[in-house]
Amino acid sequence: AQSVTQLGSHVSVSEGALVLLRCNYSSSVPPYLFWYVQYPNQGLQLLLKYTTGATLVKGINGFEAEFKKSETSFHLTKPSAHMSDAAEYFCAVSVGGTSYGKLTFGQGTILTVHP
Amino acid sequence: DGGITQSPKYLFRKEGQNVTLSCEQNLNHDAMYWYRQDPGQGLRLIYYSQIVNDFQKGDIAEGYSVSREKKESFPLTVTSAQKNPTAFYLCASSIKGDRLEAFFGQGTRLTVV
Repeated sequence: AQSVTQLGSHVSVSEGALVLLRCNYSSSVPPYLFWYVQYPNQGLQLLLKYTTGATLVKGINGFEAEFKKSETSFHLTKPSAHMSDAAEYFCAVSVGGTSYGKLTFGQGTILTVHP
Repeated sequence: DGGITQSPKYLFRKEGQNVTLSCEQNLNHDAMYWYRQDPGQGLRLIYYSQIVNDFQKGDIAEGYSVSREKKESFPLTVTSAQKNPTAFYLCASSIKGDRLEAFFGQGTRLTVV
C-alpha cells in the first residue's frame, strides 16, 4: 500500500518569495507522483506529474517538483509567489498498472500569500 | 468542451434520506472515481469503476452505493447508513495508458441537516 505525507497543513509566504511545499511518499513499487491545486469550492487541477524519466518536472503556473528516490520526496517549488497562488495543494501517488488514475492523496497544504 | 460535470453544486438533505449525486463525463475515459473531501483529511476514495457494469470499493465505501450502466455516467448514492454524510464530494475520471492522472469535476457540497 502507498501513502503520502505533506509536511505543514498551512504555509504562508510573502508575494515574490520562494514557495516550498513538502511531500514525502511511501510505496512498495516505483511510484507515479502528482501535485494538484484546488481553489475554494472547486475541483482539483493538475499542476504537474512524475511518471518516468527526468526527475525534475515542470508544471503550469511556474511550479516545478523534483523526484528524489533516496529521500522518498516530491517537493513542490516556485521561485516567486504570486497572490493568485493562494490555494490548497495536494500531493498524490499512484502505482499505475491496473490502478491507473487511482490516487492516494496527502492531507493538503493551504498556501497563503501576503502582499 | 470535454469535461466532467457534477450536479448539483450544492445539495441539502434531511437526516435519514438517501440522496444521489450525478457525475457525467464526455472525455471517453474508461475509469471513473468518487472521492470524499473533509477539511484536513485530503481526499479519500469511496468507489471506482474501470469498466461499464463493474465497480470496486475504495477505502470508505460504507454507507455509499454506485452504478455504472453507461461509460459516461457514474452516480453516487449517499444512503441513510452513512453516519456523517456532510462533505465535499468529487468525481474524477482517467484513461487507460500512460497518462495516469485523474481529471476532476467541480464537486458537490452535500449538507445534511
